[in-house]
Amino acid sequence: KQEVTQIPAALSVPEGENLVLNCSFTDSAIYNLQWFRQDPGKGLTSLLLIQSSQREQTSGRLNASLDKSSGRSTLYIAASQPGDSATYLCAVRNYGGATNKLIFGTGTLLAVQP
Amino acid sequence: NAGVTQTPKFQVLKTGQSMTLQCAQDMNHEYMSWYRQDPGMGLRLIHYSVGAGITDQGEVPNGYNVSRSTTEDFPLRLLSAAPSQTSVYFCASSYSTGLAGVPGEQYFGPGTRLTVT
Repeated sequence: KQEVTQIPAALSVPEGENLVLNCSFTDSAIYNLQWFRQDPGKGLTSLLLIQSSQREQTSGRLNASLDKSSGRSTLYIAASQPGDSATYLCAVRNYGGATNKLIFGTGTLLAVQP
Repeated sequence: NAGVTQTPKFQVLKTGQSMTLQCAQDMNHEYMSWYRQDPGMGLRLIHYSVGAGITDQGEVPNGYNVSRSTTEDFPLRLLSAAPSQTSVYFCASSYSTGLAGVPGEQYFGPGTRLTVT
């Protein structure tokens, strides 16, 4: 059974710092991995989608990497800003079974201090 | 594009009442899903649809019904509300990657916060 873990559960950094959020998964048979951010009381906003054949994806100050063989993904945020404060979730889509199901981690709550 | 829209934003029900949560998307996505989000449980899939007229159960389907008569709309019906259904409900949609049965990037609506007393 696929399990997705995100460490740390919470992180506080000063503005301007570069930071890395971690996501690990137990079953490497995935189609893709997606990173989301969720602001308090809001829905999920898609940040990046990495296909299983890709090693990384970039969007602005965000860079996500995927190492399928080791079951890990990282989300790198450059030059963090207070507006980056949110909960960050990763989710994987498995081969076989219910491919419509995204399996989510429990998230990392990020606070960027001005 | 409005993306994925959900109504209502907030709802309070009494135990035993029924209601329908509305979800619509204007991106012509084939795949649509309903999730619930609870503290400590993360997001769990309730029902999903791979196209108009086709629906299937997720991991927590009991107490909920869905139908998909059009590509755009995917309503979620609570048959007889229970306090255990107090949650935040998210609708999501995805395009097809072209691989059989594999959705692409998933887009979420803003959510409906439901309280059952």
